[in-house]
Amino acid sequence: EAQVTQNPRYLITVTGKKLTVTCSQNMNHEYMSWYRQDPGLGLRQIYYSMNVEVTDKGDVPEGYKVSRKEKRNFPLILESPSPNQTSLYFCASSLISRGRGGVGNEQFFGPGTRLTVL
Amino acid sequence: AQKITQTQPGMFVQEKEAVTLDCTYDTSDPSYGLFWYKQPSSGEMIFLIYQGSYDQQNATEGRYSLNFQKARKSANLVISASQLGDSAMYFCAMRAGTYKYIFGTGTRLKVLA
Repeated sequence: EAQVTQNPRYLITVTGKKLTVTCSQNMNHEYMSWYRQDPGLGLRQIYYSMNVEVTDKGDVPEGYKVSRKEKRNFPLILESPSPNQTSLYFCASSLISRGRGGVGNEQFFGPGTRLTVL
Repeated sequence: AQKITQTQPGMFVQEKEAVTLDCTYDTSDPSYGLFWYKQPSSGEMIFLIYQGSYDQQNATEGRYSLNFQKARKSANLVISASQLGDSAMYFCAMRAGTYKYIFGTGTRLKVLA
């Protein structure tokens, strides 16, 4: 089954304790991305990756790190979590279109990770 | 700056009626894509429909259609014959030029029996 998986699904942690949220896709997608969802703010892009070893910042990258060492995996790292990073996190993947405009491919989303930082 | 605006925080619609969810966008890039996603109360994000900036016709997918008005920079989602299962949060999103995505703040739709 084609899917994007995230682990853990739920996490409660304390301020300053490093954590990693894993993301993996089995669709051979070049593009992967992380979002956070907060009430009233919609989804905001944290980081994205166009391929292995190619990453770039989204709109809210502060306090996060990512790496893309393998095509299927795109972990999100919080080196020193703070309470303002309490949120619902989504990983997503898609093909990178080679058609006109190159913007046509929908993203497939993981189930989400609900993170609480105390 | 690129921006997506959804001005309707919440909407109600009677079952079997049609409903339009508004989305306006702003970009200076001539090449862009517009997407609609549905998020039910269970939390997953479900892709509904896509419209490219160069597409000549409005996109349709089953009961979903996208009313694309390029000059007005609007990409409204039309759901025909609403069903109870359509009750969800709906997000409009855009990708323009770069590989960044911008999402709106969402519209919560409630379908009434």
